[in-house]
Amino acid sequence: DAGITQSPRHKVTETGTPVTLRCHQTENHRYMYWYRQDPGHGLRLIHYSYGVKDTDKGEVSDGYSVSRSKTEDFLLTLESATSSQTSVYFCAISESTSLSTDTQYFGPGTRLTVL
Amino acid sequence: TQLLEQSPQFLSIQEGENLTVYCNSSSVFSSLQWYRQEPGEGPVLLVTVVTGGEVKKLKRLTFQFGDARKDSSLHITAAQPGDTGLYLCAGVPLNTGNQFYFGTGTSLTVIP
Repeated sequence: DAGITQSPRHKVTETGTPVTLRCHQTENHRYMYWYRQDPGHGLRLIHYSYGVKDTDKGEVSDGYSVSRSKTEDFLLTLESATSSQTSVYFCAISESTSLSTDTQYFGPGTRLTVL
Repeated sequence: TQLLEQSPQFLSIQEGENLTVYCNSSSVFSSLQWYRQEPGEGPVLLVTVVTGGEVKKLKRLTFQFGDARKDSSLHITAAQPGDTGLYLCAGVPLNTGNQFYFGTGTSLTVIP
């Protein structure tokens, strides 16, 4: 299994509070991704990174920011959490010579509940 | 609306039956991938199809990429309880640069 950890694994927070989720990899893969998973929507890409300090927006980036200061760490921040951001968040990594054909390896997920 | 629509959304069948899951889009994809996700875990890649009309087999699973590269199907023969899970198609549409999309998902339950 690819070495990907996510922390925390579960979090309950209140509306309006900031939240940071961490993804850590030991594979030295170039690409890292943050997805959210909601019933009926599959997984939706929030942000991704193609290198240290290089990030781009995904399909559902509003309300989220990311940072990547080291190859191994990718942080997802909800500046002011809302109930609509209650979801399961997955981090993924890939070596990526081709985004469309590369294998993405997923972490175990973080279940976030915003009350 | 999602870029990749899967049908059916839910499927419950008896062990030994055959089934087909569909993944459809109005966009053209250079390739499509299929992932399987078990409860409490992240998705795991099953296959990547890259050529229009391509058929790939993985034991009892057969994957097909449509000729126009807008759709794909997954056929399972003689389903087993171990096939239970959420099946997701995914890919990068040709007209969106580096945006990666997952399908809406098909939740399969195989009853022993």
